[in-house]
Amino acid sequence: SQTIHQWPATLVQPVGSPLSLECTVEGTSNPNLYWYRQAAGRGLQLLFYSVGIGQISSEVPQNLSASRPQDRQFILSSKKLLLSDSGFYLCAWQGAGSFGYEQYFGPGTRLTVT
Amino acid sequence: SQQGEEDPQALSIQEGENATMNCSYKTSINNLQWYRQNSGRGLVHLILIRSNEREKHSGRLRVTLDTSKKSSSLLITASRAADTASYFCATFPTSGTYKYIFGTGTRLKVLA
Repeated sequence: SQTIHQWPATLVQPVGSPLSLECTVEGTSNPNLYWYRQAAGRGLQLLFYSVGIGQISSEVPQNLSASRPQDRQFILSSKKLLLSDSGFYLCAWQGAGSFGYEQYFGPGTRLTVT
Repeated sequence: SQQGEEDPQALSIQEGENATMNCSYKTSINNLQWYRQNSGRGLVHLILIRSNEREKHSGRLRVTLDTSKKSSSLLITASRAADTASYFCATFPTSGTYKYIFGTGTRLKVLA
């Protein structure tokens, strides 16, 4: 069966520090991968999605970036964090070629920028 | 702004009662999905309804879709304390983009 992992689970970082969040998927090949951010008590904002290795689509201009160095690995990064980057970051995957169908979410990373 | 808007924002009911939450959206969609999120956790997919479907059932869940009104409802029957969570609708537009648009969610609290 398929499993999605995210780490770390929680993170507290000072303003201006770098960020690296990792997401890996097991049990499937060539998944579509997504990064979302959720502010407290709000819905999900799509940040990036990827349909293959090295292919990244950005939805929101910001100081974050994403990379997909391997088929089942999706990384969210920042060179310098802002206070506004605080939030709950969720990674999700979807079966290859199945845009528009259900997404499967990881457990999330809660980021607090101080 | 988010296309999906859930209503109400928060709902508190007694165990055994039915819970109904609504979702409105603005553009044409391919399908609409409902997800549940327990506090501090990831989202769990509940049900998907396509634009050519009007009603769908899954266990104690019933989803309706009215494309003419651009709205959907999620009914949870015989609610349990374990149903306490936030519920989100997500629309997949027909516009050709690959992104889902999530609403702001309904926070459901089921009192034992």
